[in-house]
Amino acid sequence: GAVVSQHPSRVICKSGTSVKIECRSLDFQATTMFWYRQFPKQSLMLMATSNEGSKATYEQGVEKDKFLINHASLTLSTLTVTSAHPEDSSFYICSAKLTEARWAPLHFGNGTRLTVT
Amino acid sequence: GENVEQHPSTLSVQEGDSAVIKCTYSDSASNYFPWYKQELGKGPQLIIDIRSNVGEKKDQRIAVTLNKTAKHFSLHITETQPEDSAVYFCAASPAGGTSYGKLTFGQGTILTVHP
Repeated sequence: GAVVSQHPSRVICKSGTSVKIECRSLDFQATTMFWYRQFPKQSLMLMATSNEGSKATYEQGVEKDKFLINHASLTLSTLTVTSAHPEDSSFYICSAKLTEARWAPLHFGNGTRLTVT
Repeated sequence: GENVEQHPSTLSVQEGDSAVIKCTYSDSASNYFPWYKQELGKGPQLIIDIRSNVGEKKDQRIAVTLNKTAKHFSLHITETQPEDSAVYFCAASPAGGTSYGKLTFGQGTILTVHP
């Protein structure tokens, strides 16, 4: 079964509104989670690293005020797309390390399809 | 930063044939190389991974080889089945430390297995 759960799987929102996406680790604690973005028929691009109890670190070119990340507990990270615009429409996917071991496998959630109208 | 190139972009095979997907990477600090299978509308599913201290790893019909000197690694699927049809991504990450888990992905390969 899935080890990383995302919610919602699909969301449609109006331009200018904010949308929150949840990423949960199931049956394990994840001090670090990662958020990716995937455009249709393209690869995954890392957006940010979510660290439990501290600020997220963002990849170059990703607006931290636009994509708010909160990692409030060892099993939950949230990504909030603020003041969404049609160009934010994309597939957002999170991942988590199964353990803190050096070579811990990285598992992904099933993604959230965001459509901004 | 790391750059991962993946080839081919599309691959079509007959059921029972083998499929090979190749990736190259640029950053010698990368030493963890997972492969993911992504079906339409779903997140990537980890199918196999290899660490830099290993040259080859096999799991039933799937195998991965790594040449650190040449900075390339490959996915081999034998006895392909129609349910193997999906998009396959290679990825690379440094191992350990704060950078582990920051995956750089290849462009993806659309594999189609014809019955």
